[in-house]
Amino acid sequence: EVQLVESGGGLVQPGGSLRLSCAASGFTFSYYWMSWVRQAPGKGLEWVANIKQDGSEKYYVDSVEGRFTISRDNAKNSLYLQMSSLRADDTAVYYCARALRAGIWGAARSFEYWGQGTLVTVSS
Amino acid sequence: DIQMTQSPSSLSASMGDRVTITCRASQSITNYLNWYQQKPGKAPKILIYAASSLQSGVPSRFSGSGSGTDFTLTISSLQPEDFATYYCQQSYSTPITFGQGTRLEIK
Repeated sequence: EVQLVESGGGLVQPGGSLRLSCAASGFTFSYYWMSWVRQAPGKGLEWVANIKQDGSEKYYVDSVEGRFTISRDNAKNSLYLQMSSLRADDTAVYYCARALRAGIWGAARSFEYWGQGTLVTVSS
Repeated sequence: DIQMTQSPSSLSASMGDRVTITCRASQSITNYLNWYQQKPGKAPKILIYAASSLQSGVPSRFSGSGSGTDFTLTISSLQPEDFATYYCQQSYSTPITFGQGTRLEIK
């Protein structure tokens, strides 16, 4: 069974930093693109960043470029999101998501499995 | 960036109704379109990928169609568990973008 378990969320002051983690199990982690997707309270879904299987390619939404860094450790089956210079509008539930299985159109940019999410609140 | 626009934003329907949700892309995305269902407090769940392919385990009352810029999600006969929010998402290019969501409520 595929499982994605996020951790590391919490309350942080504006300008602060936080590191999210996602522990993956039930599949060969190194075979898949991975993403972070967030959802502000009462709002829709927003893709944040994704990373290629070997970590050689990383992409970000403009609003987090230069502030957030996505990374992965295939030996530990883990995905990370280092967030810095946090702002109030970064407040959201952050989901870790696994790409669709290979061979499907747009698989790398699609989300087949999701974690339960971790809440990040940026407030003074 | 590719903008995704869903309509309607909300919809009231009754059990057994046939419901259609529309998604329009700001440029052609060929068939790179997915649909997700999200229930309150839960993570989204993929229903349809590549515009019209039903994800394994998803009931056959869900179907998707379209290509280019215009897409639809159809639920053929609403069941109680279908009342949720639905999102389209383009997988054509980065940045990956979602529609604003369609909230499906019980009439």
